[in-house]
Amino acid sequence: DAKTTQPPSMDCAEGRAANLPCNHSTISGNEYVYWYRQIHSQGPQYIIHGLKNNETNEMASLIITEDRKSSTLILPHATLRDTAVYYCIVRSKNNNAGNMLTFGGGTRLMVKP
Amino acid sequence: DAGVTQSPTHLIKTRGQQVTLRCSPKSGHDTVSWYQQALGQGPQFIFQYYEEEERQRGNFPDRFSGHQYPNYSSELNVNALLLGDSALYLCASSGGQGALGYGYTFGSGTRLTVV
Repeated sequence: DAKTTQPPSMDCAEGRAANLPCNHSTISGNEYVYWYRQIHSQGPQYIIHGLKNNETNEMASLIITEDRKSSTLILPHATLRDTAVYYCIVRSKNNNAGNMLTFGGGTRLMVKP
Repeated sequence: DAGVTQSPTHLIKTRGQQVTLRCSPKSGHDTVSWYQQALGQGPQFIFQYYEEEERQRGNFPDRFSGHQYPNYSSELNVNALLLGDSALYLCASSGGQGALGYGYTFGSGTRLTVV
């Protein structure tokens, strides 16, 4: 699986958009970008994933650059409950890649009042 | 619909002892994965069980072993505990779509402290 690089920490004001970057310059053509987050004292929670097109769901939006070497997770209106560690994971979609998720250090997002 | 249930939530063990952690997967899921998360780090994959067999294993010594029962619940066993085994142990369940990367449901973990 391709390696990802994320800033260790970020701050965001409550109600503003939180933009979390991820670099994955060695991503291959069949690898997807997945985002999970881990709120304190809980297990990781799936947020969103994408291959090359921008994606949006009820939790967030995912913007992937045209060359697919980086992506940005956007929380459009961050709340205090969005304070968490956010993990960007790059992985093939199929079984041949193995069945585990490879977590890096993630970005610790602090949403402040 | 219950999610992933792990027990116990916390425990303290002494070096050299053995410990068993338990996980009940989300309803409808048949695959269980275990992760170790040291303080301040991301979760690290230990192994995965499917159809009562270990399907894949991460870079962990043989002191770490597991089991899956016919009802899909799972146990993680750690023998000869070391201080470095102190961590949050997470269980994740998935169904067929777990292999697609977005189908994993995690429990809240068991906090193991080795003294």
